[in-house]
Order: sequence, then structure tokens, then C-alpha cells
Amino acid sequence: QVQLVESGGRVVQPGRSLRLSCAASGFTFSTYGMHWVRQAPGKGLEWVAVIPYDGDNKYYSDSVRGRFTISRDNVENTVFLQMNSLTAEDTAVYYCAKTLGGSYLSAFDVWGQGTMVTVSS
Amino acid sequence: EIVLTQSPGTLSLSPGERATLSCRASQSVSSRYLAWYQQKPGQAPRLLIYGASSRATGIPDRFSGSGSGTHFTLTISRLEPEDFAVYYCQQYGSSPMYTFGQGTKLEIK
Repeated sequence: QVQLVESGGRVVQPGRSLRLSCAASGFTFSTYGMHWVRQAPGKGLEWVAVIPYDGDNKYYSDSVRGRFTISRDNVENTVFLQMNSLTAEDTAVYYCAKTLGGSYLSAFDVWGQGTMVTVSS
Repeated sequence: EIVLTQSPGTLSLSPGERATLSCRASQSVSSRYLAWYQQKPGQAPRLLIYGASSRATGIPDRFSGSGSGTHFTLTISRLEPEDFAVYYCQQYGSSPMYTFGQGTKLEIK
């Protein structure tokens, strides 16, 4: 079945870096865009970044642009989120999500279970 | 940036009742690019409705979406115990920005 499994979340000190991974299975990964969405404890959903099926033209939210980088490996069926210069405001559960269709203009139809990132000294 | 405002913040209803959740946008959103998600505690969000009114795969027909322009609605015709959760609307039309509403908590009365 279609599945996304995130990993890499942990406790990290402010200013440090962390890379999250999201392994996909059950669908043709190389034909879908992928997103990262985060949710701070007790808060709502915040979109973070998107990468299209071919890895070009990536986009980021204002709150992470210049610090986070989204990438993908269409051979290993994995999407990554490299997070640099982390602050306490980045503390959240990070979800990866698949686009329903092939374009950017598409809802998020499959979500992973999330991985928790805690930024704390 | 399009801001989505959901109301009410909390809705208290009983199983079997009808639920109506509202999502208002700060500027017009194409109905093709409005989605609704359900999230239960400790779980990832689940896509319910996309394109304002199309049910996602496996979603029961008691869930329906409607609206256009700046006002959209999610209706649950007869609440089941498993429907009590937080619901988010999302616009994905002003790509590459994807914004979510702040959520409506649907709780058992």
C-alpha cells in the first residue's frame, strides 16, 4: 500500500543542523511532488517546502527559506529536508506528504506518521 | 499571502447531529484549490475533500464540501463517534504557497 515513513527527528541544540528523511513506497515516487509540513506542539499545520517530481523549482515558506533545503532521490524513493541554523521555533512534528496529482496545484493525499524535532539546549 | 480563517474554533455536537464548519479566505480562492483535512490526536492529517467538493478515496459520503470565492463549508451530515477530531481547510491555488486554516475542533457534547 501507499506509505510514507519519516525518520531523523531528535533533540538538537539551537544553531545546529539536522536532516530528515521520508521513505516512500507503494506508488511511482518519481512522478509526484512531495511536501514537508510541520506542526508545533498544540498548534496547527504549517507548510514548509515542496519539491516537484523532477527535483527542480523547489519552494519554501518564508519562515524557513535560506535555512532549510528540500531534496529527493528518485532511485531510493526518498525525500529529504536539510535543516540548518535551527531555533526553538522549529520545534515541531515534521510530516512529509505526497501530492494528489502531479502538479503543484494539488492537495496532499498521503501523509507520513511524522517525526519529532525538538530544538533545545 | 492568502489567510484562511476557520469558524467556529470549537464545535460541540452529539453523534447523529449535523456539523457545519466554515472556512473564509482573505482573498478569492479558486474552488479547484481548496481542501479539507481531518486530524485525530497523535495521528497525521487525512485528506477528506479536494477541489472544494470532491471526496478523497475512501471518505464516507456523509462528508461533503461546498463553496466558492472566499467562503467554503465542510458538512458532516450525521456525526459518527469517529468524526470527532480537528478539521483544517487548506488552499493550494496560490502556489507555491500553501496555507492552512487554524483548525476547528469538533468535540462531543
